[in-house]
Amino acid sequence: ELKVEQNPLFLSMQEGKNYTIYCNYSTTSDRLYWYRQDPGKSLESLFVLLSNGAVKQEGRLMASLDTKARLSTLHITAAVHDLSATYFCAVDSGTASKLTFGTGTRLQVTL
Amino acid sequence: NAGVMQNPRHLVRRRGQEARLRCSPMKGHSHVYWYRQLPEEGLKFMVYLQKENIIDESGMPKERFSAEFPKEGPSILRIQQVVRGDSAAYFCASSPLQSGGRGGYTFGSGTRLTVV
Repeated sequence: ELKVEQNPLFLSMQEGKNYTIYCNYSTTSDRLYWYRQDPGKSLESLFVLLSNGAVKQEGRLMASLDTKARLSTLHITAAVHDLSATYFCAVDSGTASKLTFGTGTRLQVTL
Repeated sequence: NAGVMQNPRHLVRRRGQEARLRCSPMKGHSHVYWYRQLPEEGLKFMVYLQKENIIDESGMPKERFSAEFPKEGPSILRIQQVVRGDSAAYFCASSPLQSGGRGGYTFGSGTRLTVV
């Protein structure tokens, strides 16, 4: 059974600081997704990582995928308050066509 | 492009009643997935459907839950004889290809079910 673990579960950081969220998964997969969820809202797609070594950047967020290590990272650069949300990684188990989600990282950016 | 449409947004049911949740996928998407999210948790896969076919229902509880995606109309997730533990947010996602493909999966706004 595919397991996806994120850490940290909760992250409080000051504006302007950098930090990284980690996503480990237990079985081979080369498709990984990052989503953002605001309280009471749906999931907003941030990144789709489809191959080993994939790196994507959008604004202050950058995501990478290492399929050999079964690890993805979401790096936050110079955080701003608007980034406060819960971030989920999810792994597509290939032929199974279903996403297994991590537990989520609740990010709080303080002034 | 209207995106994935779910309704209702909020649904309150008394214990023992039936809940029907609807999902219309994005235009051009023929693959539909249902997920459940309990408070403070990640989403858990329930079922994957294509038109008129259930492809994978490995995440569906064995009793009281059913799903369909008819030839015409939205996908329906049906919960019979609801219990308090069914209270959750139910999200539908769609994709143009199996396994999401380059575009990934697009999620709807969800239906928040409260059982009283």
